[in-house]
Amino acid sequence: EAGVAQSPRYKIIEKRQSVAFWCNPISGHATLYWYQQILGQGPKLLIQFQNNGVVDDSQLPKDRFSAERLKGVDSTLKIQPAKLEDSAVYLCASSLRRIFAGELFFGEGSRLTVL
Amino acid sequence: QQQVKQSPQSLIVQKGGISIINCAYENTAFDYFPWYQQFPGKGPALLIAIRPDVSEKKEGRFTISFNKSAKQFSLHIMDSQPGDSATYFCAASESNQFYFGTGTSLTVIP
Repeated sequence: EAGVAQSPRYKIIEKRQSVAFWCNPISGHATLYWYQQILGQGPKLLIQFQNNGVVDDSQLPKDRFSAERLKGVDSTLKIQPAKLEDSAVYLCASSLRRIFAGELFFGEGSRLTVL
Repeated sequence: QQQVKQSPQSLIVQKGGISIINCAYENTAFDYFPWYQQFPGKGPALLIAIRPDVSEKKEGRFTISFNKSAKQFSLHIMDSQPGDSATYFCAASESNQFYFGTGTSLTVIP
């Protein structure tokens, strides 16, 4: 079974530029998450999708971050314009279950460096 | 506001020793408590998980101890091996929403 795919793995940009990350979850997983992991910290939820609907985006900085999940499968996370403090690893995860918590499957992440 | 508090931040253990990582939470609605293991450059991977209706779960060398009244849970790694060197995150979930601890960097010395 293929895992969660993310791209690009690494991205370096100047502040105020834009960047987009892509995620393809495990086939059949209805729930998709984007997490931000700053060096030395635990993953912090940015947004959670159930199929193509948003369940929770309360911690998403909506003035600069946006995310969508097309047709309930792939998802894209965009940052525009980027700030220095956005330097982090962006992790995508997917889960099969909806009502009762189940295992989160993480991708390897997209490491963003903002200069 | 940190939903799940984790300690210690780092841990050094001799090969063969016991590694213990502790977590605490406040929200009594949490109903699933997983531990994730993360190696450098990789995403976290589920190690072991427990639900609040049991006090202990063991899988091989890894054990979760859960104290519902104290709202605490811990990971015990028996016979720690150099290959266990990684960062460990506890987490708690309510309605499929996950909150992670700040992580513990474990180093097992040969």
